[in-house]
Formats: sequence, C-alpha cells, structure tokens
Amino acid sequence: AQSVTQLGSHVSVSEGALVLLRCNYSSSVPPYLFWYVQYPNQGLQLLLKYTSAATLVKGINGFEAEFKKSETSFHLTKPSAHMSDAAEYFCAVSELGGKLIFGQGTELSVKP
Amino acid sequence: DSGVTQTPKHLITATGQRVTLRCSPRSGDLSVYWYQQSLDQGLQFLIHYYNGEERAKGNILERFSAQQFPDLHSELNLSSLELGDSALYFCASSGSGTPETQYFGPGTRLLVL
Repeated sequence: AQSVTQLGSHVSVSEGALVLLRCNYSSSVPPYLFWYVQYPNQGLQLLLKYTSAATLVKGINGFEAEFKKSETSFHLTKPSAHMSDAAEYFCAVSELGGKLIFGQGTELSVKP
Repeated sequence: DSGVTQTPKHLITATGQRVTLRCSPRSGDLSVYWYQQSLDQGLQFLIHYYNGEERAKGNILERFSAQQFPDLHSELNLSSLELGDSALYFCASSGSGTPETQYFGPGTRLLVL
C-alpha cells in the first residue's frame, strides 16, 4: 500500500525566509503526487501535482516541488515566505482509482 | 472557489442520531470522493462514486453510507452517531485525465454532543 510521511508537524519561518516542507512517499509503482493547502476553516486547495512529465513542478503562489525518485521525496519549497502562506499543507499520493492518501499535514507559521 | 458545494456548513447533533451531508460536484465531473478529517486520524478516504456507481471504499464505518444520484450530486449518510464521529467531512470531485485532480468542497463540520 502507498503511504506518505510528512516530516515535521509544525514549521515556523520568518517572513522572507525560505520555506521547506518535507514529504516522503512509499509506492511500488510510479506515483502521482500532490500538495494541497488548507487555510483556516476552508477546504483543500491544490498547490501543485507531479505527473511524471517533469521532476520540478511549479505551482501556485510561488511554490514548487521536486520529485526525487532515489530519495522517494517530494519536498515543497518557496524562496520567500509571506504572511499569507500561513496554513496547513498536505502531501498526498494518488492510488489506483484515484483515491488520495494524505500525510499528517504540516502547519506553517510565518513570523513577521 | 473550487466549484464544489457542500451543505450544510455546520451540523450539531446528538449521539444516536442520523444526519445527511450533501455534495454537488463541479459541473461535468463524474467522480465524487468523500473524506473525513479529524484530529486523531487526519485526512482519511471514505468512499468514491463514479457516475452513480460505487468504485472504492476506504475506512468507512458500516454506520455510514453514501450514494450518488443521477444528477451527480452525492449524499453521505451517518447514522447511530457517536462522539468520535465529530469531524470535518469533505467531498471532492474530479473529471477525467491522469492523474485526476480532485477539487475539494469547503467541508461540513459535524459536532456530535
């Protein structure tokens, strides 16, 4: 069965600093990977997805993620954090049939 | 706005009761997925419907059931509610394509007292 591990349930950065949210996956087949963001009291919004077309995936709001097969990782980065980036971020892998297996989530705090 | 709507937004009920959560997918999407988000279990897949037919089941309790109607909206029925059923319930819809991107609704927050 596929699984996702997000390292760090809480990450705090200063405004303008690099954001790095870690995600490792376990999959016996080439995976489809996603990052979603959840703002307080809202649903999940897709940030980006990996479809095997390119290992570096660019998403919305300046986020990007790099698929590294050798490390089974799909870490999310943003060069410069903004206060509005404060939210919970979920990494997910898509199983056959489409259901998503989510990591436990990482709450990002941005300090002024 | 994802285009997926869910009603009601909030629901407060008592143990032993039954509730129905409703989801309308994005226009043209045939797939509807239901997920439960709780503090202890995180985000868990419950069930997937495609064009009216059940396609996959996840960690869905026997007290829970779902269906998708001909107009493609879906309902999740939760019965004999327990305190532990308190959670945020999301539905997501997707169209065709690989991989299918799922678009999430705003969720229904259920509180069982």
